[in-house]
Amino acid sequence: SDLSQPPSLSVSPGQTASITCSGHKLENKYTCWYQQKPGQTPVLVIYQNNKRPSGIPERISGSNSGNTATLTISGTQAMDEADYYCQAWDSSTVIFGGGTKLTVL
Amino acid sequence: QVQLVQSGAEVKKPGASVKVSCKASGYTFTNNYMHWVRQAPGQGLEWMGRINPHNGDTKYAQKFQGRVTMTRDTSISTAYMEVSRLRSDDTAVYYCASEVDYYGLDVWGQGTTVTVS
Repeated sequence: SDLSQPPSLSVSPGQTASITCSGHKLENKYTCWYQQKPGQTPVLVIYQNNKRPSGIPERISGSNSGNTATLTISGTQAMDEADYYCQAWDSSTVIFGGGTKLTVL
Repeated sequence: QVQLVQSGAEVKKPGASVKVSCKASGYTFTNNYMHWVRQAPGQGLEWMGRINPHNGDTKYAQKFQGRVTMTRDTSISTAYMEVSRLRSDDTAVYYCASEVDYYGLDVWGQGTTVTVS
């Protein structure tokens, strides 16, 4: 099954950015989120829907309800400008969303 | 520290094969699945498959079945991913990644650029 993300999102510094990821019965699957800055490898920022790995700031959070998972970045900073990918497991396979380019204007 | 180190960049002609290696260190190699993900220029992440280093069991994305082979050598904590019958649209950065401390791909290799031309 596919995961759908908006291709792009723009926010002003200090505002809240909410990036959505939609998929069939997504609430029944654990979702992860990755941040990828230009020329760098992806970094896991959320796992199991809403847990943060060590070192990820508290202003980054996740939720999953119904058919939509959401990554929320509060108090967005210039350093948050990156591509963000959602990911879920489906029958022992891994699926990625198409990615969202977050621009901090 | 936990680390995945991949082999260097490759340039191949269409129809050839390429084999990328991924050496793990800093954790028990056989305890965690090793995944392979690729990213074409300017595109998103695409999961190719994974191998269980403990027993060699593999699971491939349907798109790559029959053209991708994942293996491992536990004696040197190294996973391999081979793509055969290369096409120009296989040009991409290929990553290995593992779930070491969290239920997500929390450790990534540095990426291997494969150019098919």
